[in-house]
Amino acid sequence: AQSVTQLDSQVPVFEEAPVELRCNYSSSVSVYLFWYVQYPNQGLQLLLKYLSGSTLVKGINGFEAEFNKSQTSFHLRKPSVHISDTAEYFCAVSAYSGTASKLTFGTGTRLQVTL
Amino acid sequence: GAGVSQSPRYKVAKRGQDVALRCDPISGHVSLFWYQQALGQGPEFLTYFQNEAQLDKSGLPSDRFFAERPEGSVSTLKIQRTQQEDSAVYLCASSLYRQGATYEQYFGPGTRLTVT
Repeated sequence: AQSVTQLDSQVPVFEEAPVELRCNYSSSVSVYLFWYVQYPNQGLQLLLKYLSGSTLVKGINGFEAEFNKSQTSFHLRKPSVHISDTAEYFCAVSAYSGTASKLTFGTGTRLQVTL
Repeated sequence: GAGVSQSPRYKVAKRGQDVALRCDPISGHVSLFWYQQALGQGPEFLTYFQNEAQLDKSGLPSDRFFAERPEGSVSTLKIQRTQQEDSAVYLCASSLYRQGATYEQYFGPGTRLTVT
């Protein structure tokens, strides 16, 4: 079984400041890693994913994340945030089971960007 | 193109009523997932379909929850005798499928169920 920990439930940040949202995972098998964003009253949108290869992954809207296997982390970063980045961010993992790659999510981090 | 759609977007049910939630996946997507998202929590897996076959229902919380996808396209999640703890947003996601591969899941907007 897999589990995901997002230690920060809320992260307040000023516009144009950098931000890091932390994600740690636990799994006895190799996993794939994802970050999703959820705007109010909307479904989840994929920001980026790590399946294999380079551990630095670039996604949409200027976000990037780095996979660190030794620390079992997949932190999300953005060098300069915008008001429109205010949303809920979810880290997720999946492990291919032979039938499906169901996602296991963390509890989410609310990013609040202010002027 | 059209994304994943879900209906209704909002549903209020009295405790004990049965409800049916519909999901229209992206055309051609073989895989279909249902997740339950309680307030302030991340989504939790309920069940998975590959075409019309329900291959994993390990996340269904009780036998009051039932899902089907009879023609391998539209799916319905049914909750019988709703309880207050069933109040949540129910998310549907679809993806491509190829054995051994992992594809992005595309999520619908969800159905917010409130049981009073």
